[in-house]
Amino acid sequence: GESVGLHLPTLSVQEGDNSIINCAYSNSASDYFIWYKQESGKGPQFIIDIRSNMDKRQGQRVTVLLNKTVKHLSLQIAATQPGDSAVYFCAETYYNTDKLIFGTGTRLQVFP
Amino acid sequence: DTEVTQTPKHLVMGMTNKKSLKCEQHMGHRAMYWYKQKAKKPPELMFVYSYEKLSINESVPSRFSPECPNSSLLNLHLHALQPEDSALYLCASSQDGRTGGSPLHFGNGTRLTVT
Repeated sequence: GESVGLHLPTLSVQEGDNSIINCAYSNSASDYFIWYKQESGKGPQFIIDIRSNMDKRQGQRVTVLLNKTVKHLSLQIAATQPGDSAVYFCAETYYNTDKLIFGTGTRLQVFP
Repeated sequence: DTEVTQTPKHLVMGMTNKKSLKCEQHMGHRAMYWYKQKAKKPPELMFVYSYEKLSINESVPSRFSPECPNSSLLNLHLHALQPEDSALYLCASSQDGRTGGSPLHFGNGTRLTVT
């Protein structure tokens, strides 16, 4: 289930289940979105991106969905594995800017 | 392993010290970034260099001074820091100076402690 802790929302899932991590973005002008995975002691690692002219994009075991109407982004991870345990951040930017702004993040915990 | 290399991995410094963080990438990227990350928080943008010119300074205090000697190197010079500046400092690079075109690639950061 999902819970909001003092700092980071946490999603706990069983190994093999599908995970869905949600993100609400702030700027209606944002046109490029990225999901990052950050493991303890490491920098953010690129997972998948999507541009505003798309609603869905698929990678290996991951799918990103974009709903511009409600400014909502989601990351779906199929067959979640223990190695998927990490903090996941969505990030947004808009045309012709160097600014990439991160959302608050969600901790994904995978239990056997 | 990441293609963006940051040194040192850990740094402990006093409030009167002067130190520098270093970042290097050899992907031919033309934009480089400094982010600051506190525990359990998202990375916060500090500076952006695009084609070796400072394009964004997010109102960062002058005790942090960035430098981009060439398109592969990025430094962050630190002087008279405060304990609240303790954080993970992340360097990133992207293919061009407009992040709307390509994702940022991050290093593993320098864990800075100010005593």
